[in-house]
Amino acid sequence: GAGVSQSPRYKVAKRGQDVALRCDPISGHVSLFWYQQALGQGPEFLTYFQNEAQLDKSGLPSDRFFAERPEGSVSTLKIQRTQQEDSAVYLCASSPIEGQPQHFGDGTRLSIL
Amino acid sequence: LAKTTQPISMDSYEGQEVNITCSHNNIATNDYITWYQQFPSQGPRFIIQGYKTKVTNEVASLFIPADRKSSTLSLPRVSLSDTAVYYCLVGDAPSNDYKLSFGAGTTVTVRA
Repeated sequence: GAGVSQSPRYKVAKRGQDVALRCDPISGHVSLFWYQQALGQGPEFLTYFQNEAQLDKSGLPSDRFFAERPEGSVSTLKIQRTQQEDSAVYLCASSPIEGQPQHFGDGTRLSIL
Repeated sequence: LAKTTQPISMDSYEGQEVNITCSHNNIATNDYITWYQQFPSQGPRFIIQGYKTKVTNEVASLFIPADRKSSTLSLPRVSLSDTAVYYCLVGDAPSNDYKLSFGAGTTVTVRA
């Protein structure tokens, strides 16, 4: 289908390694969001793009987290020097314009050993 | 963002109607009420959104009293496949509240 696609679905990394998570939004969607979901909790906002511009990164937990969307479509969330507390599901969502219902991907489950 | 309170869990049986009430005492004039559904290992899915009175779509109904301090999501004749976590969100949508704030949600378990 033409939904939001995230890869990989599962990622296991050793503490201290860098990881990159990819999001392919729905074609033509202007807005793109990243959320972090800990086990048993609701998703928490990380960052927001409108086209290639990162308009809000207030939810990124530390400077080890970096997100980009260079051409206004695919986005990558990078986590440097991973720590165990980074273990979570990372969800990507997109919407045609700001304020419209967001369409979520199925997430990447990140496990840091 | 207005804070929301909803039950942690609810149990039901197939064919019954499930009603989940969400409290949002500090809802602002511009705020909309939105519900999302999340199945295990999947991302949240938009169910319904409303501002006041009643909204109905093919999936659910949303009842909002006049004071808007609470809302009730109604799922008619649930089936086993409706077992999921349901989130109530309040924010300045559809205009510019892009930071969805989910909370812990209500885990609905439907039994045969």
